[in-house]
Parts: sequence; structure tokens; C-alpha cells
Amino acid sequence: GAGVSQSPSNKVTEKGKDVELRCDPISGHTALYWYRQSLGQGLEFLIYFQGNSAPDKSGLPSDRFSAERTGGSVSTLTIQRTQQEDSAVYLCASSQMGLATSEQYFGPGTRLTVT
Amino acid sequence: GQNIDQPTEMTATEGAIVQINCTYQTSGFNGLFWYQQHAGEAPTFLSYNVLDGLEEKGRFSSFLSRSKGYSYLLLKELQMKDSASYLCAVTDSWGKLQFGAGTQVVVTP
Repeated sequence: GAGVSQSPSNKVTEKGKDVELRCDPISGHTALYWYRQSLGQGLEFLIYFQGNSAPDKSGLPSDRFSAERTGGSVSTLTIQRTQQEDSAVYLCASSQMGLATSEQYFGPGTRLTVT
Repeated sequence: GQNIDQPTEMTATEGAIVQINCTYQTSGFNGLFWYQQHAGEAPTFLSYNVLDGLEEKGRFSSFLSRSKGYSYLLLKELQMKDSASYLCAVTDSWGKLQFGAGTQVVVTP
């Protein structure tokens, strides 16, 4: 497929467990973004990658959240010791160059439910 | 502070026109995007404005006034499939998007 893919599509986990969310961007896209969308709220920026570097991590809500990107491609968002307030849809997007003018292509998201 | 405001919901009849307003106050500005998001789906790109004025693309048009911190998305000849959430987002120099809460447009027959 040519689009952004994310896995899993749904994840239910118990409070206190760790989770890993995966994003496969469009091939050749150097910029990758993570957002989350809580029920009834707008998308909230989490972190931005240019290649394998993360110049902007300002949106990560706490030190329980971390992300990495390898080979300038796949990215993993890890949430440690999950809390109920982490329940949301986590969306990944990629763009060709990470410029302000670059359209971002979004993946279908991972719906995380923390019980 | 950073603020992007848009109405929560708008209802319009099939075939009509709807205008969704967005006002913003952000520390950086390198353009404004509009995205469409159907329930349970990923947002998809509609338009991008960086200069003042109107950008027209088929049934959709978007306007920007940087001095007023204001944009609108105009949807013409509404169709049932246009029922969706419309997201206004301001971008910084890295392309990071700061979103408003979205406007749910309901199109009725």
C-alpha cells in the first residue's frame, strides 16, 4: 500500500502496562509526526521526526511517553505504565520534507483503551 | 497563549453553502491547513493558505487574513458525503500542526 499504516488498529491494555504503537510512513517521506485525539477533542501534537532525529518533542505529555524512529522509516511510540487518561486515538502522519508547506498524510490511527 | 477556535457544530441542507470560521492566536505562523475527517477515519487534506486571500478548489474554497488571524472554509453545493468534522490547523516552520477542536458539519436531506 502507498499510504501511512499503523498497528495495531486497536489496543486494550490494563492500567500500569506498557504499550508500543507502530507507524510505517509513506516511503521516501523524511518527516514523521505523532498526534493523539481524545474523545471530543482536537488533535494534539506529540512529537516530530526529521529522519531519525526528533527536533521537537514538546508535545509528549510526560516522561512515560517516548518515541524512536529507525532507518528514517518506521517509528514506534511507547507508553510506559499506562494510565486511563492515555486512552485516545494515536495518529501518525508523514510528509515529504517536514516543511510548513508540506501536506501531511495521516494513518488510520491506533485506538488505545486503558482499563 | 496559543488558541485556535472554530464552532463545534454546523447543520446545513443538501445543496446549500456552509462557511466554517476559524480564528487563531499562535506564537508562530507558517500557514493554515484545513483537513476533513469522517468518523473513525484519518484526516485528509483539503487546503493550505499561507498568503492572504481566497484559494478555490472545486466545491471547496479557503480564505485567510493573517492580520486578523482569521480563516474560513467554504463548502458549496453540499452533498451528504460532506458530513464530517472539519479541522483548522496552524503550522510552524517544522510543519508541526496545531489543531482546533474541529467543526462537525451535519448535512440534512
